[in-house]
Amino acid sequence: ETGVTQSPTHLIKTRGQQVTLRCSSQSGHNTVSWYQQALGQGPQFIFQYYREEENGRGNFPPRFSGLQFPNYSSELNVNALELDDSALYLCASSLGQQGAGETQYFGPGTRLLVL
Amino acid sequence: DQQVKQNSPSLSVQEGRISILNCDYTNSMFDYFLWYKKYPAEGPTFLISISSIKDKNEDGRFTVFLNKSAKHLSLHIVPSQPGDSAVYFCAASTINDYKLSFGAGTTVTVRA
Repeated sequence: ETGVTQSPTHLIKTRGQQVTLRCSSQSGHNTVSWYQQALGQGPQFIFQYYREEENGRGNFPPRFSGLQFPNYSSELNVNALELDDSALYLCASSLGQQGAGETQYFGPGTRLLVL
Repeated sequence: DQQVKQNSPSLSVQEGRISILNCDYTNSMFDYFLWYKKYPAEGPTFLISISSIKDKNEDGRFTVFLNKSAKHLSLHIVPSQPGDSAVYFCAASTINDYKLSFGAGTTVTVRA
């Protein structure tokens, strides 16, 4: 069983640019969630995809968007980068079984620095 | 609005002793609780979970206790080992909403 992988591991962008972060979920996991972790804080939920459809969204503006593909890969896109977007971005996959407590399995994250 | 709170940012414990990490929550709809462990430069690793129908769950050295009336859970690590030094996050979700709400984390340092 392969774990959750993310790329790239580190990224530096300038304010106003756009960025795409990638995630590969565990095989068989239909749900992928993205989180932002600022320094000294816990991860904050951005959004979740289930079978390629957005399944819920946290308090993040529309310039944060995502895609999920049939091959268990997914993307997080952020437009018009701001300095406060500097953070660790984590993706997590889970089975997506309705009605069951879900354990989410996290990737190592992408560290984004916006200058 | 922080629905999950870990009020102790750090904990130092001697090797072999018990580590007790605490977590409080405000949302009474939460019914699934998890603990994750995080090393620097790695993603959170799942440790142990508990559903709201239980008040205790054990897995080796790790035990999680849930007190629903107090909206409080705790993680006990016995005995503590040097490899347990990490940041521990408490997280919660509702059964039909798979997003996780996290606390801010507690940094555990196990002293030799």
